[in-house]
This record gives sequence, C-alpha cells and structure tokens, in this order.
Amino acid sequence: SQKIEQNSEALNIQEGKTATLTCNYTNYSPAYLQWYRQDPGRGPVFLLLIRENEKEKRKERLKVTFDTTLKQSLFHITASQPADSATYLCALDKAAGNKLTFGGGTRVLVKP
Amino acid sequence: SAVISQKPSRDICQRGTSLTIQCQVDSQVTMMFWYRQQPGQSLTLIATANQGSEATYESGFVIDKFPISRPNLTFSTLTVSNMSPEDSSIYLCSVRTSVQETQYFGPGTRLLVL
Repeated sequence: SQKIEQNSEALNIQEGKTATLTCNYTNYSPAYLQWYRQDPGRGPVFLLLIRENEKEKRKERLKVTFDTTLKQSLFHITASQPADSATYLCALDKAAGNKLTFGGGTRVLVKP
Repeated sequence: SAVISQKPSRDICQRGTSLTIQCQVDSQVTMMFWYRQQPGQSLTLIATANQGSEATYESGFVIDKFPISRPNLTFSTLTVSNMSPEDSSIYLCSVRTSVQETQYFGPGTRLLVL
C-alpha cells in the first residue's frame, strides 16, 4: 500500500542551527512533492513545491531536495528561529489536479 | 492565492445530531476538498466536492455520513451526520485554483461530540 512517512518524533533544535526533516514514500510515483507548515489550531500553509525532475528548490531560508530513486525528500530550515516552531507536513500528488496525500508531519521546536 | 473562511470555527454537539460546516472562498476555484484531522494526526481526505454533481468520496467515507454540497465555484458545505464522539476532529476545507498546483486551506472547524 502507499505510504508517506515522516519522523513522528519532535525535532528540538537550537536557534541558528539547521533543522532537517525527512519525508519517505513507498508505492508512489509522484509528479511533485509539497511541504506545508501547520501551526496549532490553524490550517496548513503551503511552503514549497518540488517537481520530479528537480533536485533542489530554495525559498529564503528553506531548502527542499527530492530524490526519486531513494523515494525521499529532505526539508531544511537554515538559521532557524523560534518563529519556525511548528509542524511541517509533506504531501504527494500523482499529477497536476489530483488530490494530495499527507504524511504524518514532524513537529519542530526551535529553542532560543 | 485564495482566502478561505469556514463556519463555524468550532462547535460542541450532542451524539446523534448533525452539523453542517460551510466553506466560502474569495475567488472561483476549480477544485474543493474536505479533510479531517483527528487529534494529533495528519490530514485525511474525506472527499472532493464537485460543482453540480455528487462528491467523490475516499475509501472509508460515505455520502450518508458526510453529505457534501457545492452549488457554485466559491462555496461548499460538509455535513457530519448522526455524530458520535469518534467524529470529534478538525474539519478543513481546501481548494486549488485553476492554474496552481498548491492547495490552500481554511482555518478549520473544531468539532467536539459529547
């Protein structure tokens, strides 16, 4: 069956360091992968999208990599700040216009 | 982008009753979805709301329990019928615009069933 796995353990990190989150998937051939941020009591907010033919994408302090051979995406938050504390979700879509399936999310806590 | 509002933001309901959640978008969108997020869990897709036709439900979700309407391109409702405590969850409306692959989410409706 199809699975999207994220580390369920919270990631505690010191301010200024780089947080690295992992998203692994099985039995998928996604056209692209997306990362979302979710704060408590709020809906997810889109951060980055990376396509299957892209290796890396950056947006400000965020970087995403996508390895379709390993079936894995890494999400990096560089120079982390306490305001980055949230749950980060990866999501897969088989093709444009189809529904998104979400991983379980990883909670990040950045300590000052 | 799209701005999505949901009503109500939260509710406490009695077992056996039904609640209708409204989702309003500030622009016309091609696709609307309803998700459920149970406490401490990730998002699970309930159904795709289709304008002018019946919603498309995911495995494990049925129309009798979660009837959905979508009368136009900016509005949808989800009803949680004959509620039980297991339906306590956050219900999220989500949309895609015609040219973007990203999805936008509403603030969610927090439901507690006693």
